[in-house]
Amino acid sequence: DTGVSQDPRHKITKRGQNVTFRCDPISEHNRLYWYRQTLGQGPEFLTYFQNEAQLEKSRLLSDRFSAERPKGSFSTLEIQRTEQGDSAMYLCASILTSSDEQFFGPGTRLTVL
Amino acid sequence: GENVEQHPSTLSVQEGDSAVIKCTYSDSASNYFPWYKQELGKRPQLIIDIRSNVGEKKDQRIAVTLNKTAKHFSLHITETQPEDSAVYFCAAISNSGAGSYQLTFGKGTKLSVIP
Repeated sequence: DTGVSQDPRHKITKRGQNVTFRCDPISEHNRLYWYRQTLGQGPEFLTYFQNEAQLEKSRLLSDRFSAERPKGSFSTLEIQRTEQGDSAMYLCASILTSSDEQFFGPGTRLTVL
Repeated sequence: GENVEQHPSTLSVQEGDSAVIKCTYSDSASNYFPWYKQELGKRPQLIIDIRSNVGEKKDQRIAVTLNKTAKHFSLHITETQPEDSAVYFCAAISNSGAGSYQLTFGKGTKLSVIP
């Protein structure tokens, strides 16, 4: 599969626990985005990487959230001390610098009990 | 920042009829407007896009129009089929100044095509 992949696809956790999601972008894509999508809404931008550099973070991204892309390839998104309001679909998208089209992964659905 | 409004939130049409979804945006610097189709539980998939130097683009049964002056763009689906049933999102790309060219999405339109 040469598309964007995400792992896990589903995660159920208890409030207060930490969770980590992984995104593997399309191999030649150097730009990577994380979005959050809640039910009945469009995806909302969380953060952006160009290669390994995290260049922008949304104000939606509280200090409980951290993202990394250590080698400019895969990325991880960690949520510490999860809250019920964190329940959402977390989508990753990747893109070539020379293009505008963002390719989305299948998402990780997080449920915080 | 950019703000994208999308209407209607739900749309039901008879198979074979046309469907139109409309969006407005706020940032006059936005220059790329994609439309995504998202089926239940699946990833958003790009179906058509338009850049600000073009007024209209067509791909088989799907067309998009852009009015830069009024800052609105629309998706037109002709000869709708049951498999067109999904949630459709419009989006606009804007440069936040940090070079991220992030997408700002509308809230989506749930299209139901009745056989």
